[in-house]
Amino acid sequence: GESVGLHLPTLSVQEGDNSIINCAYSNSASDYFIWYKQESGKGPQFIIDIRSNMDKRQGQRVTVLLNKTVKHLSLQIAATQPGDSAVYFCAEISPSNTGKLIFGQGTTLQVKP
Amino acid sequence: KAGVTQTPRYLIKTRGQQVTLSCSPISGHRSVSWYQQTPGQGLQFLFEYFSETQRNKGNFPGRFSGRQFSNSRSEMNVSTLELGDSALYLCASSLDGLGGYTFGSGTRLTVV
Repeated sequence: GESVGLHLPTLSVQEGDNSIINCAYSNSASDYFIWYKQESGKGPQFIIDIRSNMDKRQGQRVTVLLNKTVKHLSLQIAATQPGDSAVYFCAEISPSNTGKLIFGQGTTLQVKP
Repeated sequence: KAGVTQTPRYLIKTRGQQVTLSCSPISGHRSVSWYQQTPGQGLQFLFEYFSETQRNKGNFPGRFSGRQFSNSRSEMNVSTLELGDSALYLCASSLDGLGGYTFGSGTRLTVV
């Protein structure tokens, strides 16, 4: 069935380093992808999104890269800070499944001071 | 602007009971989606409502149901609760269900 997967369940980085969180998706019909951050006791918080007609999108300290050829998505966080510690989820949606986000399992980012 | 509001935040129920959870979307948002989050299964889609109509449904048993009111507020109901229904239930609202989803903080349901 459809699935969005993340390559690593946990990523540990030093404060100030750059972080890269990866995600593989299986539905080639998906045209919209979102990265969410979830802190303990809270709902997922939007970080950045990208449409399938783009390869790269930048936000404040974050960049999302989309490689449709290999169905791969990544989130890059520059100068990682302790406040970035959380679980990160990628999600996809396809035009035939309006309103239905398919989530990956999540990567826990741990930032060491 | 106010975010997505879910009530209650915490709930403890006994097996066999039923429960109703509420979600108030961002003003102007007409799409509300519901998700179940558990450590083992992650975030699983339950259903989506748009303009009071269920537009999409996930792979959950019929014990899970929902509805949406004319003001876009949504409720989900779980009947005959099982221990495995213990989870964080999240709702997300969007203008049209095509993007721009904002999540609430969730309702933590514990079934004992």
